[in-house]
Amino acid sequence: DQQVKQNSPSLSVQEGRISILNCDYTNSMFDYFLWYKKYPAEGPTFLISISSIKDKNEDGRFTVFLNKSAKHLSLHIVPSQPGDSAVYFCAASESNFGNEKLTFGTGTRLTIIP
Amino acid sequence: NAGVTQTPKFQVLKTGQSMTLQCAQDMNHNSMYWYRQDPGMGLRLIYYSASEGTTDKGEVPNGYNVSRLNKREFSLRLESAAPSQTSVYFCAGAAGYEQYFGPGTRLTVT
Repeated sequence: DQQVKQNSPSLSVQEGRISILNCDYTNSMFDYFLWYKKYPAEGPTFLISISSIKDKNEDGRFTVFLNKSAKHLSLHIVPSQPGDSAVYFCAASESNFGNEKLTFGTGTRLTIIP
Repeated sequence: NAGVTQTPKFQVLKTGQSMTLQCAQDMNHNSMYWYRQDPGMGLRLIYYSASEGTTDKGEVPNGYNVSRLNKREFSLRLESAAPSQTSVYFCAGAAGYEQYFGPGTRLTVT
């Protein structure tokens, strides 16, 4: 049972336009959400996160939106740049007194077209 | 400050052979994790360690063992490798929710 789902395996976006990556979850106990970016032959790198008490978090070109009622979050990248081409993983966690584990989605491969 | 390091980067094993994947972190993280990544499957948790001296099973622990040698080091052992264990293995460290990953070990079992 996939608790975190990324239904789009791939996405292509023109350079300079907005990239929107989506993620859905089923576990209502999740209270913290993260996005990771992964280049080939490298480990995932932390990009941005959001707590369930917020509905938006922004960091430069990256904004994450959380809709708790729909159990949906999205990552917006604007403007998209060629270096943004990578696989993006959504992850979720629930509080566990310092023993938090992440549940990952299957990833979306983003390609930025110059 | 190297962050999280993993050795080896690549390994080829024959079915039935054993090996240990090494992971070390210099970020003073209490928690450490081992994941495997397979095509179309995302990252799946094998084992984790919330603190030195403790380890717990994750989603896919069968066929693996771990040792949290000290706060810095967390190793993953395959006692009798199987082709189904062909994967890319990532180690991570964390203090809180955010986890920081090593570069990975690509393992092929023939």
